[in-house]
Amino acid sequence: EAGVAQSPRYKIIEKRQSVAFWCNPISGHATLYWYQQILGQGPKLLIQFQNNGVVDDSQLPKDRFSAERLKGVDSTLKIQPAKLEDSAVYLCASSSNRGPSSYEQYFGPGTRLTVT
Amino acid sequence: QKEVEQDPGPLSVPEGAIVSLNCTYSNSAFQYFMWYRQYSRKGPELLMYTYSSGNKEDGRFTAQVDKSSKYISLFIRDSQPSDSATYLCAMSGYAGKSTFGDGTTLTVKP
Repeated sequence: EAGVAQSPRYKIIEKRQSVAFWCNPISGHATLYWYQQILGQGPKLLIQFQNNGVVDDSQLPKDRFSAERLKGVDSTLKIQPAKLEDSAVYLCASSSNRGPSSYEQYFGPGTRLTVT
Repeated sequence: QKEVEQDPGPLSVPEGAIVSLNCTYSNSAFQYFMWYRQYSRKGPELLMYTYSSGNKEDGRFTAQVDKSSKYISLFIRDSQPSDSATYLCAMSGYAGKSTFGDGTTLTVKP
């Protein structure tokens, strides 16, 4: 079974520029998550999708961050404009929609963003 | 105060030692308790999850949950250098949203 794929793996941009990250979840996983992990901290949920719909985006800074999941599969996360404090690893995870397995999240390798 | 507090470490032990990793939490709605392992520059990998209180064993790993004390633990027996990583606890209510601790960095010395 192929894992969660993310690209790019690394990105360096200047503040006020825009950036986009892509995620392809495990086949058949209905739930997709985007997390932000700042160095030395645990992952913080930005947005959770179930199929095409948003389940939770309460911690997404909506003035600069946006995310979409077209056709209930791939997802993109965008930051526009970026700030210095957005420097972090952006992790995508997916989980099955069935019973206890819904709590087993499978993470991709992450995209390491540096904003200068 | 954070919903999930985790011993920050870092923790350094000799090979073969028993390791104890701990988290406390404040939200009584948490029902699922997970432990993830994260190697440097990799995404977290789920090790174990436990529903409600009790113990769960998987090979050298044992997870314990004490809901009355709002305290969870992960024990690693016969620790190996390959266990060197950051260990993250995570907790979830029925809605499926997980809240993570900030992780404990473990080094197992040969």
